[in-house]
Amino acid sequence: QVQLVQSGAEVKKPGASVKVSCKASGYTFTSYYMHWVRQAPGQGLEWMGIINPSGGSTSYAQKFQGRVTMTRDTSTSTVYMELSSLRSEDTAVYYCARESKFTYYDILTGYSTEYYFDYWGQGTLVTVSS
Amino acid sequence: SSELTQDPAVSVALGQTVRITCQGDSLRSYYASWYQQKPGQAPVLVIYGKNNRPSGIPDRFSGSSSGNTASLTITGAQAEDEADYYCNSRDSSGNHPWVFGGGTKLTVL
Repeated sequence: QVQLVQSGAEVKKPGASVKVSCKASGYTFTSYYMHWVRQAPGQGLEWMGIINPSGGSTSYAQKFQGRVTMTRDTSTSTVYMELSSLRSEDTAVYYCARESKFTYYDILTGYSTEYYFDYWGQGTLVTVSS
Repeated sequence: SSELTQDPAVSVALGQTVRITCQGDSLRSYYASWYQQKPGQAPVLVIYGKNNRPSGIPDRFSGSSSGNTASLTITGAQAEDEADYYCNSRDSSGNHPWVFGGGTKLTVL
């Protein structure tokens, strides 16, 4: 069965960096893109970025450009999310989520592809506090 | 700017039907996917595409879409359906290729 297992909780000081891991199992690691999503306490979900485990290409939300780096290790089926220059507002639960997609044909619009997150990691709490 | 808008809170009597909506320009081009999140847990996919349920999701959950609005309907709400619900879609117009709605807190009375 598909599993995404994340690393444990972290406590960091402002200005430091944190690296969270997400180990995938139960499927072909390089066949599915992986996303990172975070959730501040009492707040909603916020998309951070995506990595292609096959080639390593990434795309980040503009808000995190320059502070976030997503990498992968195909030998261990693990993706990583590193966030630098931490501030108190970065205190949140960070999730990895696997992207799946399907393509369908509509007689009016032709072929379309829909995307969704079918499996999520358990979440990693990152606390930024002096 | 690209965004998806949801009502912050909705309530439903036990066994009744409730619809949770999500509005945004991206929904004119993409279907929304819907996620259920209970306190202290990771989100769970409940609806994707036009109206598809992953294995294990009860058939009382259904999805629909019209124009810039997507809806998640729970027909015969159960106590265990009390949770936060988030919509999500691709967005080709903004700086966030994927965008989430702000979430709707569903209370089952």
